[in-house]
Amino acid sequence: QVQLVQSGAEAKKPGASVKVSCKASGYMFTSYGISWVRQVPGQGLEWMGWISAYNGDTNQKQKFQDRVTMTTETTTSTAYMELRSLRSDDTAVYYCARVGADNSDVFDIWGQGTMVTVSS
Amino acid sequence: SYELIQPPSVSVSPGQTARITCSADVLPKQYAYWYQQKPGQAPVLVIYKDSERPSGIPERFSGSSSGTTVTLTISGVQAEDEADYYCQSADTSRTWVFGGGTKLTVL
Repeated sequence: QVQLVQSGAEAKKPGASVKVSCKASGYMFTSYGISWVRQVPGQGLEWMGWISAYNGDTNQKQKFQDRVTMTTETTTSTAYMELRSLRSDDTAVYYCARVGADNSDVFDIWGQGTMVTVSS
Repeated sequence: SYELIQPPSVSVSPGQTARITCSADVLPKQYAYWYQQKPGQAPVLVIYKDSERPSGIPERFSGSSSGTTVTLTISGVQAEDEADYYCQSADTSRTWVFGGGTKLTVL
């Protein structure tokens, strides 16, 4: 079945980096994009960025542009999101979501989420 | 960028109809999408392109659009529908915005 499986929980110190993976299966990886969405505990969803699995084009929310790198590895159908210079307020659950084909805006499949805890 | 405005909470009794709104000036020009999120779980798409229902989503979930407001309607609410609901729409090409979320309480 179509699914996205994310890497496990991470604990990091302030100033460090974290790289979360999102492995796709059950569909043609390069026909869709992947968005990254985060959720600070007790708060709402926040879109962070998007990458085309077809050609690697990316867009990020302005607040993350200096700290986020999104990549894909088509041989393994895996997307990655690296967040640098971590702060305590980056503690959140990070989700990947498949973005519909043909310029669709729908996030139709979601990963299970990866908890990232930033604490000294 | 812009904001999608949702009420923080909506409460209904079982069997009643819940209506959750989402407002922004761009909504006459952009489709809206709705996601359901239960505690500890990832969001699930329940409505796309304002009013389309994905396969597997119960018929009691419907969506509509009027001017700058889109509405998620849950008819005959069941206890299992208690969750947070988020609207989402496009900003510029390949960028998106989420509403602040609405907590649906089934009394």
